Amino acid sequence: EPEVTQTPSHQVTQMGQEVILRCVPISNHLYFYWYRQILGQKVEFLVSFYNNEISEKSEIFDDQFSVERPDGSNFTLKIRSTKLEDSAMYFCASSEAGSGPYNEQFFGPGTRLTVL
Amino acid sequence: AQKITQTQPGMFVQEKEAVTLDCTYDTSDPSYGLFWYKQPSSGEMIFLIYQGSYDQQNATEGRYSLNFQKARKSANLVISASQLGDSAMYFCAMREGRVGSARQLTFGSGTQLTVLP
Repeated sequence: EPEVTQTPSHQVTQMGQEVILRCVPISNHLYFYWYRQILGQKVEFLVSFYNNEISEKSEIFDDQFSVERPDGSNFTLKIRSTKLEDSAMYFCASSEAGSGPYNEQFFGPGTRLTVL
Repeated sequence: AQKITQTQPGMFVQEKEAVTLDCTYDTSDPSYGLFWYKQPSSGEMIFLIYQGSYDQQNATEGRYSLNFQKARKSANLVISASQLGDSAMYFCAMREGRVGSARQLTFGSGTQLTVLP
């Protein structure tokens, strides 16, 4: 069964460093998403991506964040200068189409980011 | 205002009994979808069940069923015959049908379910 994959599973970085989180969505999916979950809190939407551009972004997704689909398979989230409060689990998700509200989003296993 | 409200931060249930996890939602869109995800301690998000706003019947998937009461804007998850492996965090989420959006999910704060032997 196709699945969303994410690498690395755990990333430890120093405050101020740049990190890139990688995701490989399911191959025939068209919509891609990043969410984050601070430990013990709810899952929060960061950004959605379609047709090689950002569709929507939340207020969390400020200038420190960027997303890219550098090739036909990878979808990346870059944090330019990490802060302590960026420590969280980051989930990538993809869905087949966004034309209706019922399409399931498939989540990857997450990348746990720890900023020291 | 919260779009998804889960009022039970923690729930306990005896093995083999049924349990209901509450979820209420708020939207002005006539078209939306409601989802339940399970998050075990390992951290991954596992899709369980969804209900469309226009679906006439309550969704069911194995031991999971969704008690959808549209007028009350509630979408409670019912787990029948609880198993020890059901112990996890459960999130209710909504996807609104706004035209032109990529329809991200909005999550509730979750309910931590513990199944007791």
